[in-house]
Amino acid sequence: GENVEQHPSTLSVQEGDSAVIKCTYSDSASNYFPWYKQELGKGPQLIIDIRSNVGEKKDQRIAVTLNKTAKHFSLHITETQPEDSAVYFCAASKSNTGNQFYFGTGTSLTVIP
Amino acid sequence: DVKVTQSSRYLVKRTGEKVFLECVQDMDHENMFWYRQDPGLGLRLIYFSYDVKMKEKGDIPEGYSVSREKKERFSLILESASTNQTSMYLCASSAWGEQFFGPGTRLTVL
Repeated sequence: GENVEQHPSTLSVQEGDSAVIKCTYSDSASNYFPWYKQELGKGPQLIIDIRSNVGEKKDQRIAVTLNKTAKHFSLHITETQPEDSAVYFCAASKSNTGNQFYFGTGTSLTVIP
Repeated sequence: DVKVTQSSRYLVKRTGEKVFLECVQDMDHENMFWYRQDPGLGLRLIYFSYDVKMKEKGDIPEGYSVSREKKERFSLILESASTNQTSMYLCASSAWGEQFFGPGTRLTVL
């Protein structure tokens, strides 16, 4: 089955700096890669996703890059703000497996004001 | 807005009790999922369902069962709760692509 690894497990940055979280996956058939943000006391919420036919996607301060050859994808947050502090999860999925997601172990991001 | 609700935010049970966790979604999604979330382990899939009365085992089904009698409702059952089932339980639903999560149930088994 699919194995998703996520690094780092914790990340602290100064407000205004950039944050990068990296994930690798094992199954070359995976073709959908969402990123979720989980705030304290809440369920995870999708913040950005990318499909395997695209190398990069951007939404305001958040971007995701995908390298299919190396089987890794990354989340980039620029101009970080204290409200970006949360736990972030990456995931991988294959469209022919009924939308089953394989999640990374999470990154706890702290933005220091 | 898609809404996934879970019956309890916090639950405390005794070892050996039968525990029901309920999840309801209001977007007519075919797919529903139960995960448990533990520090350092991320989200691990327990069971999922593609349709009414249909279920598939995830990565960690041992000690759990599920029921999906109606499309909008997916129940997780702990037949005989044990202390190692103390965890955060998250329900999710999807049509295709994004999974929408509920707020979670923090279960403590004493």
